[in-house]
Amino acid sequence: DSGVTQTPKHLITATGQRVTLRCSPRSGDLSVYWYQQSLDQGLQFLIQYYNGEERAKGNILERFSAQQFPDLHSELNLSSLELGDSALYFCASSPEGLAGNTIYFGEGSWLTVV
Amino acid sequence: QKEVEQDPGPLSVPEGAIVSLNCTYSNSAFQYFMWYRQYSRKGPELLMYTYSSGNKEDGRFTAQVDKSSKYISLFIRDSQPSDSATYLCASFFFSGGYNKLIFGAGTRLAVHP
Repeated sequence: DSGVTQTPKHLITATGQRVTLRCSPRSGDLSVYWYQQSLDQGLQFLIQYYNGEERAKGNILERFSAQQFPDLHSELNLSSLELGDSALYFCASSPEGLAGNTIYFGEGSWLTVV
Repeated sequence: QKEVEQDPGPLSVPEGAIVSLNCTYSNSAFQYFMWYRQYSRKGPELLMYTYSSGNKEDGRFTAQVDKSSKYISLFIRDSQPSDSATYLCASFFFSGGYNKLIFGAGTRLAVHP
């Protein structure tokens, strides 16, 4: 158990809908990262937050947004969903976002868009 | 060009074989290099972590980094069926509060008895 908690574990929704994925980082971790992993694809970096502020942005679509709350949990909002958004979405956390050896991943949220 | 390139495989080897997994990266700013292991679409788990060029050994695993050629390798000795997983290389840098952690596509490894 990495200590990073993601909910829901599985989600099935229709095209055009909006969903919210939630992440609770490890206790004390200030940085939260979101990644997308499509079938047979590597991990695509979406966005990073550090102590409530956006720190880095990757290949995140405009239909997607995220935020980190004062209690450090984070939410990834996916809207106007398309079939191609079906993927495994991972959240990761680290204490200060300084070193790669302290980044821990959650078990992921499976999103299926039908 | 992707910042981190990795051959997706799949790679199939017999038990006991030496496995060599490789990646290349393009961004000279990357400072840290990691290997993650991912079982059955579970969350990736950190396997090895290196900072500088050279070798780092941990049991049956050896991570090698050559910054001059921007080449990252992971060697697995005496491979076991339990090593069957997807291995992801990753490169990371931190500068002025800005982090970047980029993964390769992952190589699927199957070790058969």
